[in-house]
Amino acid sequence: KQEVTQIPAALSVPEGENLVLNCSFTDSAIYNLQWFRQDPGKGLTSLLLIQSSQREQTSGRLNASLDKSSGRSTLYIAASQPGDSATYLCAFMNSGGYQKVTFGIGTKLQVIP
Amino acid sequence: DAGVIQSPRHEVTEMGQEVTLRCKPISGHNSLFWYRQTMMRGLELLIYFNNNVPIDDSGMPEDRFSAKMPNASFSTLKIQPSEPRDSAVYFCASSLEGGRGRAQYGYTFGSGTRLTVV
Repeated sequence: KQEVTQIPAALSVPEGENLVLNCSFTDSAIYNLQWFRQDPGKGLTSLLLIQSSQREQTSGRLNASLDKSSGRSTLYIAASQPGDSATYLCAFMNSGGYQKVTFGIGTKLQVIP
Repeated sequence: DAGVIQSPRHEVTEMGQEVTLRCKPISGHNSLFWYRQTMMRGLELLIYFNNNVPIDDSGMPEDRFSAKMPNASFSTLKIQPSEPRDSAVYFCASSLEGGRGRAQYGYTFGSGTRLTVV
């Protein structure tokens, strides 16, 4: 059974810091991995999508990397801002059978002004 | 595009009542998913439709839950009878499956329906 683990569960940093969120998965048969942001009481907003053939994707201050051999993905946030405060989830899509996506529990980020 | 649209945003109902949640996927998307999110279990896939056909409903908790997709632009998730343990946020998501039946462009989520059963 695929397991997706996100560490840490919660993170609090001062504004301006660079930070890394981690996502690890047990199944190496990956098709793609997607990072989402969820604000309290809201839905999930897609941030970055990395295909299995890619090693990283960048959007503004966000950079996501994928290392299939170690079963890890990281989301790097540069120069964090209070508006980045949210829960960040990674979603793993397998490459076997029909598309099945497994979500991590998420990392709750608080950026302190 | 207005994105994935879910209704209602909030639903409070009494135990034993029937609850119907609605979803309108993004036009042109051919796959639709219903998820349930709780603090304890995170996001759980309930059911997955492809081209309006249910492909995997193994995540549906029990017979009290049923889902339909009568056409490409509408889906419902029904709980009958509802129980307090069904209280959660229910999300609908859609995607476009490309080659090899995969969501090459990822998923788009609706804003969710927060269900409270008292």
